[in-house]
Order: sequence, then C-alpha cells, then structure tokens
Amino acid sequence: DSGVTQTPKHLITATGQRVTLRCSPRSGDLSVYWYQQSLDQGLQFLIQYYNGEERAKGNILERFSAQQFPDLHSELNLSSLELGDSALYFCASSVVGGMTEAFFGQGTRLTVV
Amino acid sequence: AQTVTQSQPEMSVQEAETVTLSCTYDTSESDYYLFWYKQPPSRQMILVIRQEAYKQQNATENRFSVNFQKAAKSFSLKISDSQLGDAAMYFCAYRSSNSGYALNFGKGTSLLVTP
Repeated sequence: DSGVTQTPKHLITATGQRVTLRCSPRSGDLSVYWYQQSLDQGLQFLIQYYNGEERAKGNILERFSAQQFPDLHSELNLSSLELGDSALYFCASSVVGGMTEAFFGQGTRLTVV
Repeated sequence: AQTVTQSQPEMSVQEAETVTLSCTYDTSESDYYLFWYKQPPSRQMILVIRQEAYKQQNATENRFSVNFQKAAKSFSLKISDSQLGDAAMYFCAYRSSNSGYALNFGKGTSLLVTP
C-alpha cells in the first residue's frame, strides 16, 4: 500500500460526459502529480500541484482540469469525453522533488464508450 | 523537453539469469534524477531504483543495479538472479526541477521471466 488513495478504481461513461477523479496523497506530501497511461501514448505527465498551487503542466488537454484543495486532496476533471480518453489515470504524491520518491496510487481505469 | 528512450519493447530472461534493460535520455540539464519503476500486472507503479546525476557511483538495491553513463546519457538497469516475480513492465524515468519534478517516462520494456 503506497498510502495514495484514488477513487473510483473503475469508471465507465459515455462520450461527451464529464467525470471527476479523486486523489488523496500520502500524509504530509504536498505535491500531487497526475499521469495518464494509454496504450498508444504510454505514461504521460498531465499536471502537478504543490500545496494548492499549480506548479507544472504537461500534456494536459484543455478539456481537462485539476485542482488541489486545502486538505491537499486533488481532483482531476475530464469533460467532453472522447473514446481516446479511455486510459488509466494515476495520481502520485511526494514531499518535494529531487530524489524523493513519488508514490503512486492504484489508478483509475476510465473507459469511455 | 527531455526525451527518454527505451529501445527494447520486450525482453526475456530465464530464472536465475541476469538481464539488462536499456534506457537513454536527452537533456541539456546538469542536475537531474533518474529512476526505474516496475509495473506488474496489478498496474501498481513500484520504484525499483534511483540515481542522482551528480553521483558517479552506480546505485544498487539488492539484485537491482544500474549502469549510469552520464556523458553517454545512458541509464541501464541490471537485474541479477532473475525471479518469476520480476516479470513486469519496467519504465525508465527522468526528473528535474525545471519540470516541477514531474517524472518523464520512457515507453517501457516488458520483461518476461521463464522458468
């Protein structure tokens, strides 16, 4: 158990819909990262929050957004979903950067039908 | 943006043998960190080993060791005495302060361990 909790584990939704994925980081970790893993794109960094503020952006679509709340949990919002958004979405947390380990949650498997 | 390349989509090793997974990266930065993550069928991402760029000594964690060649921008993973439980996808990853310490992953190498 990494200490990072993601809910839900599985999500099936229709094209055009909007979903919210939730992540609770390890106790004490201020940084939260979101990643998307798909067969064609591999593991891609989407966005990072540090203590409530957006810190870095990766290949995140405009239809996607995220936020980190005062209790440090984070939500990733995916809207106007397309079939190609079907993927495994990971959340990871760490204390700070550098050599510190990023601990990954179990992921949310999103299927868009 | 930094590019991480894993040129071996699949590798196979016999139990108890040694296998080396390759990783190269492209960067102009001098301060960065390199990682190997393992992803078994459960999909959980598990840190295997990590290396700081400014440390010349290669990192070792039990049966896992790396060959870090900074000038060549190479970071290979050696697994000794392979076990059936080592079968998984292995991802090489790069991290630096310029990208907020986000991990930049390679495409992965699928390792099969045969009895």
